[in-house]
Amino acid sequence: GAGVSQSPSNKVTEKGKDVELRCDPISGHTALYWYRQSLGQGLEFLIYFQGNSAPDKSGLPSDRFSAERTGGSVSTLTIQRTQQEDSAVYLCASSPQGLTARGFGPGTRLTVL
Amino acid sequence: GQQLNQSPQSMFIQEGEDVSMNCTSSSIFNTWLWYKQDPGEGPVLLIALYKAGELTSNGRLTAQFGITRKDSFLNISASIPSDVGIYFCAGQLRTDSNYQLIWGAGTKLIIKP
Repeated sequence: GAGVSQSPSNKVTEKGKDVELRCDPISGHTALYWYRQSLGQGLEFLIYFQGNSAPDKSGLPSDRFSAERTGGSVSTLTIQRTQQEDSAVYLCASSPQGLTARGFGPGTRLTVL
Repeated sequence: GQQLNQSPQSMFIQEGEDVSMNCTSSSIFNTWLWYKQDPGEGPVLLIALYKAGELTSNGRLTAQFGITRKDSFLNISASIPSDVGIYFCAGQLRTDSNYQLIWGAGTKLIIKP
């Protein structure tokens, strides 16, 4: 069956521009996670959505980062006024309610020049 | 904040050898998870451990949840070329009704030809 998909797979942008990253979770999964992975590092939690509950935004590194999940399905991570330190692979995962994320999407590799 | 120390950072082994890697934490986790990441892909869950002292196998992989709940190890027996990749441990904290994963920096497994 279809797994988590993300788009674009690669994004190169100039410092100061805004970017939007998209995540399509597995159909029916109520939980959705965004993580960030810098080169040679483990994953860094960004934000967690669970059904209609208020999202856990405690991992967002600054107010330039925001995320939405429309209709309990697709999620968009927006980074405003990008900085070079935002360069990383942004990973999304989904899971049924209450269960651990079993697999992640392939990620979006963001490069800020 | 919470940290996971994962070791070793990388391993060069011969095909057929056994592999062992571990993670330690300053925090107590409710769940320990082991993921594998192939190049250009997101991590995939290998083993989930839910109880202190639990020993779980998945084929040639065996993982244990330490008694103190602050450590875990992963063993791979009789390694094969497709075992190459980066292995991550992750600890799960439950805060209210949300979940967060704290990740190790990864162990890169390289099999010598």
